[in-house]
Order: sequence, then structure tokens, then C-alpha cells
Amino acid sequence: AAGVIQSPRHLIKEKRETATLKCYPIPRHDTVYWYQQGPGQDPQFLISFYEKMQSDKGSIPDRFSAQQFSDYHSELNMSSLELGDSALYFCASRRIGLTSEETQYFGPGTRLLVL
Amino acid sequence: AQSVSQHNHHVILSEAASLELGCNYSYGGTVNLFWYVQYPGQHLQLLLKYFSGDPLVKGIKGFEAEFIKSKFSFNLRKPSVQWSDTAEYFCAVSASPSSYKLIFGSGTRLLVRP
Repeated sequence: AAGVIQSPRHLIKEKRETATLKCYPIPRHDTVYWYQQGPGQDPQFLISFYEKMQSDKGSIPDRFSAQQFSDYHSELNMSSLELGDSALYFCASRRIGLTSEETQYFGPGTRLLVL
Repeated sequence: AQSVSQHNHHVILSEAASLELGCNYSYGGTVNLFWYVQYPGQHLQLLLKYFSGDPLVKGIKGFEAEFIKSKFSFNLRKPSVQWSDTAEYFCAVSASPSSYKLIFGSGTRLLVRP
């Protein structure tokens, strides 16, 4: 079965640089979630999109922005990178149906290291 | 605000021992509950989930969890662990009508000695 695809899998950047992370949801999934998992920490919700519109926002810095495109893939843009942005960034996708009984499926993550 | 609490941060067991990981959540309304597992260097995988119905849910790899509404708990159990169960286990809840984002607990690192 097709899974969530994230690219790149690993990324090394310098402080103050920018980074773009991409997420391709499972086919027919219309909702994308972004989570950040710092070293030794639990995943923290950043932002979500449903049908190309932002549906919820969590602890996402103003330096970050994201969007969902017409093909439902999503991109997380990160500017003015800081050392503390080093983390594993997960994307998850879900299909909104008539009930709430749909599960989020996670991608393999993008490991970002800011030097 | 919703929150999830996992009581055990580190658990060490020998193979064949029984496992129970505690999870409590705080939210007054209807919740969806999940346990995810993260093997070393890998992404989160769904172990099991509870939406409604039978409060005892069975998941993959012999795991099960029991939802006790009166205690706001969703503890994970496995009768006999294997070395391959060494991983980090996250309890999560979703309840937001706007997005059903997941709120995770702090995780429990399980080490199973062969």
C-alpha cells in the first residue's frame, strides 16, 4: 500500500538559511498534518491543512510557513533557521470522511540539522 | 487544553515479561485515542486505536489497550514482550473538531533484554 512520502529525508543547513520540506500524502487523503519532534521529545503539532486550506495551527514559529497544493502535497518552508530548529519533521495524512474515525498515517520524516 | 500523560519514561523488561504502559488524558469531551510505536531511527507506526465501542481494543503484534472512561486512561498491554518490541511508545489523543490534530504524551522508552 502507498504510504506518505517525505523529501528530503535528511537536510543539513547553516544558521539563517532557508529550508523547504515536502510531503506527499497517501492517495485520496485530503488532510495533511506537520509535526516537529526535537531530540528526545514527543512530536509537537505545527500546522494542518484540509482541502488546501489551513485547518489548524499549533506551535509553529512565524519564521515557518506552509501550504497545501492542488495535488494535496504540502510544503513546509522554514526561514532564518536557528540551531533549535534541528529536529525530525513528520508529515501525516488523513482522509476526512463522514465520521471522525480516520487515522493519521505518518511519513518517515525529514531529519533537519542546523549548524 | 487537551494533554496526555505517560507515567513511565523508561521501562526495562526481560523477554517474556508482561508489559503495561500507563496513559492518562485530560479532555472532557469525546476523544479518539491512539498508541503509536517508534522503532529506533524509524517513523511513527500505529499500534492500535480507539474511537468507540468495545473499550478493549486489540492492535498489531499482540498489543492491546483498554479505555477506561471514568479514569481517563488508555493503558497499553502485552502479555509477553519480545526483544523486537524495544522501541519508544507514544500515547496520543485527538479531539479537536477543526482538525483532529494529535496531542502526544512524552513517550515511554521500552528496552527488552534478550
